[in-house]
Amino acid sequence: DIQMTQSPSTLSASVGDRVTITCRASQSISNWLAWYQQKPGKAPKLLIYDGSSLESGVPSRFSGSASGTEFTLTISSLQPDDFATYYCQQYNSNLLAFGQGTKVEIK
Amino acid sequence: QVQLVESGGGVVQPGRSLRLSCAASGFTFSSYGMHWVRQAPGKGLEWVAVISFDGSTKYFGDSVKGRFTISRDNSKNTLFLQMNSLRAEDTAVYYCAKDVHESGTYFDYWGLGTLVTVSS
Repeated sequence: DIQMTQSPSTLSASVGDRVTITCRASQSISNWLAWYQQKPGKAPKLLIYDGSSLESGVPSRFSGSASGTEFTLTISSLQPDDFATYYCQQYNSNLLAFGQGTKVEIK
Repeated sequence: QVQLVESGGGVVQPGRSLRLSCAASGFTFSSYGMHWVRQAPGKGLEWVAVISFDGSTKYFGDSVKGRFTISRDNSKNTLFLQMNSLRAEDTAVYYCAKDVHESGTYFDYWGLGTLVTVSS
């Protein structure tokens, strides 16, 4: 099975900061990776798919990139609404898998 | 607009069974794969199972394989999760999620979830 490892587990940042979250796959998944944002008590929200494609309606400050088996979610200028937990998810395999999550906290 | 409404959660004893339902509306249900994803209290997301648009293909996560079954009724726009031999570690909020394609890729819509608590 493909394992997804996210880092860091927690990130403290301030409004306006550039934030980067990393997700590493245990084997090649091409660009078959999505990113989600989840706020407490809410369902996740799709941000990025196919590694770097921005979901409709998602602010352009969110971007995704890939290099081999390492994927990155970047928030160019952190906004108050962005404090949440972020998950990556691979869909290269029939057995889907999420990373363990990265919580973005207020510094 | 797309709506997914889960039901059937509750408190159940270890070893017993429970059946979850997910009522879908606002899209052509029979054209898309559907998933169950769960989240234990204070923990991350765990993919549980997927069923293809026509019900012909199903896959399960290792932790539920052999105990859980996924099915769908396209005539009633409803997704099901039959959970047998429940364990304490199955305690979680269970989300129904719509795939963007006919089978298993990623999720563009989620329900609000239903809480399953396995406890004696």
